Amino acid sequence: NAGVMQNPRHLVRRRGQEARLRCSPMKGHSHVYWYRQLPEEGLKFMVYLQKENIIDESGMPKERFSAEFPKEGPSILRIQQVVRGDSAAYFCASSSLETQYFGPGTRLLVL
Amino acid sequence: QKEVEQDPGPLSVPEGAIVSLNCTYSNSAFQYFMWYRQYSRKGPELLMYTYSSGNKEDGRFTAQVDKSSKYISLFIRDSQPSDSATYLCAMSEVTGGGADGLTFGKGTHLIIQP
Repeated sequence: NAGVMQNPRHLVRRRGQEARLRCSPMKGHSHVYWYRQLPEEGLKFMVYLQKENIIDESGMPKERFSAEFPKEGPSILRIQQVVRGDSAAYFCASSSLETQYFGPGTRLLVL
Repeated sequence: QKEVEQDPGPLSVPEGAIVSLNCTYSNSAFQYFMWYRQYSRKGPELLMYTYSSGNKEDGRFTAQVDKSSKYISLFIRDSQPSDSATYLCAMSEVTGGGADGLTFGKGTHLIIQP
């Protein structure tokens, strides 16, 4: 029973480039959440999605960040025109309305 | 005032000791409480979850919730070096925690000395 899968595990981008992070939820889970963990900081909620719907994006920065969870395929967190402050670990979690289970994360480094 | 306060540590204890990890919170709407364990450069792993005041036990782990004091604890008995990790408390306003973004503490770094 595969857990939450995220890829890539590590991503290096130069300032101004785009970053695309992918998340495949656990089998049977239809709810996906994205969190960001900055160095020396706790996990911060960004966005909650169901298939083809954004339910809560109250934690998403207003510019450059977007997320989707299409009918087919993984959920994607997109960061446009990355800046050094975007360097962080990005975690995806999934649930079936019970407790959330986390993936291994994508570590983004912006040079 | 931050919503969830958690002492970052590090907390260092000898092997076999009982460990007590704590969080306080200010939002009385929180209904669902979780503890996650995170090893270095890994994703958080769910340890315990509960929604009622009182104690919940699972093996060497006991989760305790006091809603009147807005205080939660995780106790680890017979601690092992493999328990060395960062422990994160998390909370949700929604029972079940699955229909809401979780609010996390910053985590306590625990070191179990052999």
